[in-house]
Amino acid sequence: KQEVTQIPAALSVPEGENLVLNCSFTDSAIYNLQWFRQDPGKGLTSLLLIQSSQREQTSGRLNASLDKSSGRSTLYIAASQPGDSATYLCAGDSGGSNYKLTFGKGTLLTVNP
Amino acid sequence: NAGVTQTPKFRILKIGQSMTLQCTQDMNHNYMYWYRQDPGMGLKLIYYSVGAGITDKGEVPNGYNVSRSTTEDFPLRLELAAPSQTSVYFCASTWDNFYEQYFGPGTRLTVT
Repeated sequence: KQEVTQIPAALSVPEGENLVLNCSFTDSAIYNLQWFRQDPGKGLTSLLLIQSSQREQTSGRLNASLDKSSGRSTLYIAASQPGDSATYLCAGDSGGSNYKLTFGKGTLLTVNP
Repeated sequence: NAGVTQTPKFRILKIGQSMTLQCTQDMNHNYMYWYRQDPGMGLKLIYYSVGAGITDKGEVPNGYNVSRSTTEDFPLRLELAAPSQTSVYFCASTWDNFYEQYFGPGTRLTVT
């Protein structure tokens, strides 16, 4: 059974810092990997999708990478801002036609002004 | 284009009552999903559907039922509500297994 670990569980940084969030899968056979942002009391917003043939994706100040040999992904946030404060969740699917995501518990990020 | 919509936003049920959580998407997505999220936990898959008329169980299906009669709608039925079903429920959809999943705003359910 696939399990996903996100480290750290919580992170507090001053504004302007670059930071890295980590995600690891017990089964390294990840097909697609998706990073989400969740604000308190809200739904999930998709940030980045790394498809099966890709190793990395970038969007603005965000960069996500996936090492399929180890089953580990990192989300890099450059020049953090208070508006980045949220919970960040990673989720992976192990392939097949049904596309079922397995989620980590998330990293709660606080960026202090 | 509203994306994925869910109703109601909040609901309180008494033990043993039943209800249906509604989910609609206007993106013509084939795949739809129901997840639940308990405090401090990741999302767990309840049921999913890969097209109208096709549904299958996820990781935590007990106590729930679904149907998919149209591409747009994927309602989740709770029969005989129990306190263990207190959670936030999210519906999601996607085109197929190469694309990102889009989530609705969630339904916060309390069973007392």
